[in-house]
Amino acid sequence: NAGVTQTPKFRILKIGQSMTLQCTQDMNHNYMYWYRQDPGMGLKLIYYSVGAGITDKGEVPNGYNVSRSTTEDFPLRLELAAPSQTSVYFCASGLGGYNEQFFGPGTRLTVL
Amino acid sequence: DAKTTQPNSMESNEEEPVHLPCNHSTISGTDYIHWYRQLPSQGPEYVIHGLTSNVNNRMASLAIAEDRKSSTLILHRATLRDAAVYYCILKDRAGSYQLTFGKGTKLSVIP
Repeated sequence: NAGVTQTPKFRILKIGQSMTLQCTQDMNHNYMYWYRQDPGMGLKLIYYSVGAGITDKGEVPNGYNVSRSTTEDFPLRLELAAPSQTSVYFCASGLGGYNEQFFGPGTRLTVL
Repeated sequence: DAKTTQPNSMESNEEEPVHLPCNHSTISGTDYIHWYRQLPSQGPEYVIHGLTSNVNNRMASLAIAEDRKSSTLILHRATLRDAAVYYCILKDRAGSYQLTFGKGTKLSVIP
């Protein structure tokens, strides 16, 4: 199993550009999550999904959108990138509830 | 999810045991205690979790105080690969879906 994979690994965007961060998991997990981690800080939840077709906002959703058309994929869309969105983005999946979450390797995004 | 308190940093010598403390005085009866770690430039990695009883797995042991207001993650023999930030997180079984990460404890392992 590849687990949770994320692309790209690194990206530099100009202010106002848009992009999609890809996330795929092969563990047949219903629950998927997007977090961001700013330097020296813990992770904060952006959006999550409890199954295909169902998504909901986390702690810091402004400036982002998500979709979940399949169990495997959970892309994160940034519209009109801003310097405040410079961060490392982690995707995770799991069985939900108190069960563990499995994290991807992250995408390091810089907005200039 | 209830809040946890951890030391900012700790040091350990290689091949010696490490005890990483976590205080969670406002823990509720349905909160599980989870530990994750994050190696440099990687995503967080699950370590262990428990509710009331002490737990062991291949990576570590979790010792939970009788009143559940504190817990300790025990690495039995620290290796250089264990140098990471360790996060203690409370997770309600049926509560919010997110893991609430604080700043964690940065563990340095000295060769």
